[in-house]
Amino acid sequence: GNSVTQMEGPVTLSEEAFLTINCTYTATGYPSLFWYVQYPGEGLQLLLKATKADDKGSNKGFEATYRKETTSFHLEKGSVQVSDSAVYFCALSERGSQGNLIFGKGTKLSVKP
Amino acid sequence: DTEVTQTPKHLVMGMTNKKSLKCEQHMGHRAMYWYKQKAKKPPELMFVYSYEKLSINESVPSRFSPECPNSSLLNLHLHALQPEDSALYLCASSQADRSGANVLTFGAGSRLTVL
Repeated sequence: GNSVTQMEGPVTLSEEAFLTINCTYTATGYPSLFWYVQYPGEGLQLLLKATKADDKGSNKGFEATYRKETTSFHLEKGSVQVSDSAVYFCALSERGSQGNLIFGKGTKLSVKP
Repeated sequence: DTEVTQTPKHLVMGMTNKKSLKCEQHMGHRAMYWYKQKAKKPPELMFVYSYEKLSINESVPSRFSPECPNSSLLNLHLHALQPEDSALYLCASSQADRSGANVLTFGAGSRLTVL
C-alpha cells in the first residue's frame, strides 16, 4: 500500500539555521506530493506541492523537489525564523483517490531566537 | 473566498449529548472531507463527499453521522460519543488543479472534548 515516512522530531534549530526535513514515500502509481504545515492550535495549511517527477514546489522560502528515483520529497529552507515553528506533514495523494491524503507522522520544528 | 470555515471552534459535550459540527466553503469545491486528529498524530480520514454524495466512509462508528445538505455545507452529527473521541475534527474541501492534482484546503478545526 501507499505510505509516507518522514523524519521523527522534534527538530530544534537556532534562527537563520538551515532546515531539512526528510520525507520518503511508497506508492503504486504516480502520486502528487505535498507539504502541509500546522501552527499551534490551528488547522493544516498547504505549504507547497509537486505533481510530477523533478517538479520543485516552493513557497515562503521553503522548497521541495519530487525525486522519483529516490522516492523522496525533502523539505528545505535556507534560513529559518522563529515564526516557522510548527508541525510539518509530508503527504501524498494518488490520482483517482478522490484526493484522499496519506500523511507522514509529522515533524515538530522549534526555532529559537 | 478561499477559506473553509468550521464552527464551533471548541465543543465540550457529555456522553449522552447530541451535537453537530459544521463546515462551510464557497470556493465551488465539489469534494468535502472530515478528518480526525488526535494530539501529536497526523489527521485520519473519516468521510469523503463527492458531489454531495458520500463516497468514502473509513469504517467510522455510527455515533458519527455525516451530512452534506448542499455543495457548500458539510455537517458531522455526534451522538453518544466516548471520551476517546475527544480530538480535533478537521473539515477540508478540494478540487483538481491544472495538473490534475487534488489539493485539499483545510479549516481551522473544531476541538471536541467528551466528558
